[in-house]
Amino acid sequence: AQSVSQHNHHVILSEAASLELGCNYSYGGTVNLFWYVQYPGQHLQLLLKYFSGDPLVKGIKGFEAEFIKSKFSFNLRKPSVQWSDTAEYFCAVIGGSQGNLIFGKGTKLSVKP
Amino acid sequence: DAGVIQSPRHEVTEMGQEVTLRCKPISGHNSLFWYRQTMMRGLELLIYFNNNVPIDDSGMPEDRFSAKMPNASFSTLKIQPSEPRDSAVYFCASSLGGSYNSPLHFGNGTRLTVT
Repeated sequence: AQSVSQHNHHVILSEAASLELGCNYSYGGTVNLFWYVQYPGQHLQLLLKYFSGDPLVKGIKGFEAEFIKSKFSFNLRKPSVQWSDTAEYFCAVIGGSQGNLIFGKGTKLSVKP
Repeated sequence: DAGVIQSPRHEVTEMGQEVTLRCKPISGHNSLFWYRQTMMRGLELLIYFNNNVPIDDSGMPEDRFSAKMPNASFSTLKIQPSEPRDSAVYFCASSLGGSYNSPLHFGNGTRLTVT
């Protein structure tokens, strides 16, 4: 069965530190991959998505993610985080043409000013 | 566009009571999803509709949960009777063409507390 694993439950960083949030999925075929962000008290928003093409995907607010097919991974990165990046980040996967969107459990990011 | 609108934002109820959550999708979107978010299990898909028809309700926890979409602009998720373990944030989301083809647009969620 399709599943998504996010390795870190809670990450705490200082401003200007670099960020990498891990996401691994289990599905052997074609996948579509997403990162969603939920700021405190707000709804989920799409950060970036990968359907095909360049495996390095750039999203909003300076975020990027790299799809590494051989590692079944889609890690989220940002070179220098800001206090306003404090939020919960969800990786999500759709496997195949008929699959549902499956979310990871989320990683809470706290950025200290 | 106002986005996906959910009501109420917060609901506190006693065990055994009926709870109804409401959702208005983005106009023109033909797929609608209900998700539940808890600390233990993260985001779980409960049910999704395509063109007002329930396509997959395998995520609905049990018979106490039911969802309807009487028309393209309105959906409800009902819990009867409610239990403390139903406490969670319930999100509604809509998309154009189904989750495979386009990203979901989420509402602000309804935080349900069952005491």
